[in-house]
Amino acid sequence: AQSVTQLGSHVSVSEGALVLLRCNYSSSVPPYLFWYVQYPNQGLQLLLKYTTGATLVKGINGFEAEFKKSETSFHLTKPSAHMSDAAEYFCAVSSSGSARQLTFGSGTQLTVLP
Amino acid sequence: DAGVTQSPTHLIKTRGQHVTLRCSPISGHKSVSWYQQVLGQGPQFIFQYYEKEERGRGNFPDRFSARQFPNYSSELNVNALLLGDSALYLCASSWMTDDTQYFGPGTRLTVL
Repeated sequence: AQSVTQLGSHVSVSEGALVLLRCNYSSSVPPYLFWYVQYPNQGLQLLLKYTTGATLVKGINGFEAEFKKSETSFHLTKPSAHMSDAAEYFCAVSSSGSARQLTFGSGTQLTVLP
Repeated sequence: DAGVTQSPTHLIKTRGQHVTLRCSPISGHKSVSWYQQVLGQGPQFIFQYYEKEERGRGNFPDRFSARQFPNYSSELNVNALLLGDSALYLCASSWMTDDTQYFGPGTRLTVL
């Protein structure tokens, strides 16, 4: 069984400050990891993904995440927050192989203060 | 290219009724998955279909069913609606079952 824990349901940062959204996962097999963003009244947009290879993954809009197997973590960061980053962020895990079912965390609402 | 499309955008039903939600995948994608997102929670997996066959099913009652058509579009059906079925229903498509999933805008279902 797989699970995802997102620490902090709400995170507030000032515009221009570092964004750090935390994600820890549990998986019995090598995981594939994803970050999605959801703007109000919209679906999910893929930010980035880790499958295999390089553990530091770069995504869209300046976001990146690092896969740390020893810590079972996949935290999302952005060096400088922009007002347009305000949204809900979901971390998800799936097992490799066929029938990939995503297991999502409960989400982190990011607020960017002017 | 068009993304994943879903219809309708919003739907209001009463308890006990039946509902059908529709999804068209990205062109070339052969797999469709359905998720339920209750307000304030992350999405939960309902079904995955590939080449018209069910490849995965989440922990949902038999009131929930789905199918995939030859053109790879899909329908999600929910019978005997309960208040707790009120949620955003998301469809995601991928080229194959083990590929990255791309989500549509969702259908907001309200059960009164």
